[in-house]
Amino acid sequence: EAQVTQNPRYLITVTGKKLTVTCSQNMNHEYMSWYRQDPGLGLRQIYYSMNVEVTDKGDVPEGYKVSRKEKRNFPLILESPSPNQTSLYFCASSFTGQGARYGYTFGSGTRLTVV
Amino acid sequence: DQQVKQNSPSLSVQEGRISILNCDYTNSMFDYFLWYKKYPAEGPTFLISISSIKDKNEDGRFTVFLNKSAKHLSLHIVPSQPGDSAVYFCAAAPGSRLTFGEGTQLTVNP
Repeated sequence: EAQVTQNPRYLITVTGKKLTVTCSQNMNHEYMSWYRQDPGLGLRQIYYSMNVEVTDKGDVPEGYKVSRKEKRNFPLILESPSPNQTSLYFCASSFTGQGARYGYTFGSGTRLTVV
Repeated sequence: DQQVKQNSPSLSVQEGRISILNCDYTNSMFDYFLWYKKYPAEGPTFLISISSIKDKNEDGRFTVFLNKSAKHLSLHIVPSQPGDSAVYFCAAAPGSRLTFGEGTQLTVNP
C-alpha cells in the first residue's frame, strides 16, 4: 500500500531534550515536506526537500532541522524542544512538479507535547 | 502574512443540501489551487484541484470554482452527506510548494 509513515504518533517530552520524528514513504517520491498544524493557523510548512541532499526552509523553520540522506526518509529533528513547538506535525510527499496538480500524500500525524 | 485565508472556521448544513466552503488568496503567482479533507486522527487527504487557467473543475459531488479577478475559490459539495463532516483546507501553489488556509470545520447533520 502506498503510504507515508510517521513515528511516533504521540510523544510527550521535556524542554531541551533532543528528539527525532521519523518519516518514510514507499512511493519513490522526490519531494518531501514537513508541516505543523496549530489551531487557527492551519498547516504551515517547516522544511521541504526536492530530492536527496536538497533541503530548504519553509515558512516556520526556527528550532527545527531536517536531513535527506535517502530518497524514502525525511526525519524532523528538534535539537532543543520548547513548549511553543507543541503541535501536530505532518509529513507529506509527492512527485516533483505534481504536488500542485495531484496533491501530496500525507502521513497520519505526530502529536508532540513539550512540557 | 496569510496568503491563503478561510474566513469561516465552521459551517453546518443539513444532509442532502449544498455545502459551500470559501477561500481567498492574495498571491497572484499561485497557479494551482487544491482542497484537502481531514478527519480527526488522520492526515489530510487530497480532494480536488484546479489550474489557474480554468474556472471550474468537477469530480462527482465535488466542484471547485475559481474567480481569479476576485482571488477567490470555493468548494461545492452536492448533495452533502454525514460522512463529509471533516475539516476542509484550501491550498495554493506556485510549483511544488503548497500554502494552506486555516481550515473550515464542516458538519453535515442527518
